[in-house]
Amino acid sequence: SQTIHQWPATLVQPVGSPLSLECTVEGTSNPNLYWYRQAAGRGLQLLFYSVGIGQISSEVPQNLSASRPQDRQFILSSKKLLLSDSGFYLCAWELAASYEQYFGPGTRLTVT
Amino acid sequence: GDSVTQMEGPVTLSEEAFLTINCTYTATGYPSLFWYVQYPGEGLQLLLKATKADDKGSNKGFEATYRKETTSFHLEKGSVQVSDSAVYFCALSDRWGGSNYKLTFGKGTLLTVNP
Repeated sequence: SQTIHQWPATLVQPVGSPLSLECTVEGTSNPNLYWYRQAAGRGLQLLFYSVGIGQISSEVPQNLSASRPQDRQFILSSKKLLLSDSGFYLCAWELAASYEQYFGPGTRLTVT
Repeated sequence: GDSVTQMEGPVTLSEEAFLTINCTYTATGYPSLFWYVQYPGEGLQLLLKATKADDKGSNKGFEATYRKETTSFHLEKGSVQVSDSAVYFCALSDRWGGSNYKLTFGKGTLLTVNP
């Protein structure tokens, strides 16, 4: 069966520091991968998606970036965090063209 | 563009009460519809889905029927339990960028069930 992992589970970082969040999927090949952010009291906002290694599309321009160095690995990064980057970050995978997404446990990021 | 509107919460019920969470959508294509549930501190779990008009998705006592004529996908449960306390998200998936699909979420409805 397929599983999706995210780490770290929680993170507290000062403003201006770098960020790296990691997501890995097991038990499937060539999944579509997604990064979402959930801010307090708001719904989910799609940040990035990837349909293959090295292929990244951005939904919302901001100081975050994403990379997909391996088929089942998706990384969310920032060079300098802002207070507004605080939130709950969720990674999701989807079998290509299957229209069903499955979510990881999330990372709670607090920027102080 | 596509959008999902669901009833604002929070919703507070007593155990064994009937639950309805309303969800309506706007889409340019012919979307699939989903309900996801998020328990405190966790990621989202797919609760149920429907892929075409008049389909009824069901799971764990929850049901929702795809109503194309009213563009709705309301979530119902006949008798809620304390363990159903969570945030519920309505979502649609529509074709986007060729063969890929994009999920559009509602803002979520917090349900609290008291014993």
